[in-house]
Amino acid sequence: ELKVEQNPLFLSMQEGKNYTIYCNYSTTSDRLYWYRQDPGKSLESLFVLLSNGAVKQEGRLMASLDTKARLSTLHITAAVHDLSATYFCVVDGHGGSQGNLIFGKGTKLSVKP
Amino acid sequence: EAQVTQNPRYLITVTGKKLTVTCSQNMNHEYMSWYRQDPGLGLRQIYYSMNVEVTDKGDVPEGYKVSRKEKRNFPLILESPSPNQTSLYFCASSLGQMNIQYFGAGTRLSVL
Repeated sequence: ELKVEQNPLFLSMQEGKNYTIYCNYSTTSDRLYWYRQDPGKSLESLFVLLSNGAVKQEGRLMASLDTKARLSTLHITAAVHDLSATYFCVVDGHGGSQGNLIFGKGTKLSVKP
Repeated sequence: EAQVTQNPRYLITVTGKKLTVTCSQNMNHEYMSWYRQDPGLGLRQIYYSMNVEVTDKGDVPEGYKVSRKEKRNFPLILESPSPNQTSLYFCASSLGQMNIQYFGAGTRLSVL
């Protein structure tokens, strides 16, 4: 059974600081997704990482994927309050493109002035 | 506007009373999926559909049914709801199972 573990589950940061969220998964997968959820809202896509070594950047967020280590990271640079949200990593449960998607429990990020 | 529409947004019902939560997308997406979100458990996939007439169980399918008779619609059916199905439900769609998903606004269900 595929497990997707995110660390930390809760993160309180000061504005301007850098931090990394980690996502480990337990079986082979060539793709990984990151989603963001604002409090009381739906989810929106941040990144799709499709191959080993993939790196994507959008604003202050950068995601990377190491399929050999079964690890993805979401790096936050110079955090701002608007980044406060819950971040989920998602992996295909069959290690391929079968459609059974497994979510990590999410990392709740709070950025304080 | 491209969107995934769920109805209703809020629903309070009683144990055993059949209900349907509708989900419709206007993006001609092949892949659709249902999730439930519970505190401390994150999102868990209930059912998904790769295309019309093709559905598969996710991780928590017990107590739920789905159908995909048309590409745009993917209703979630609770034949006999129970209190443990009280949750926040999301429908999502994507062009294919490897593409990013677009999520509906969510349906908050309470079963008394």
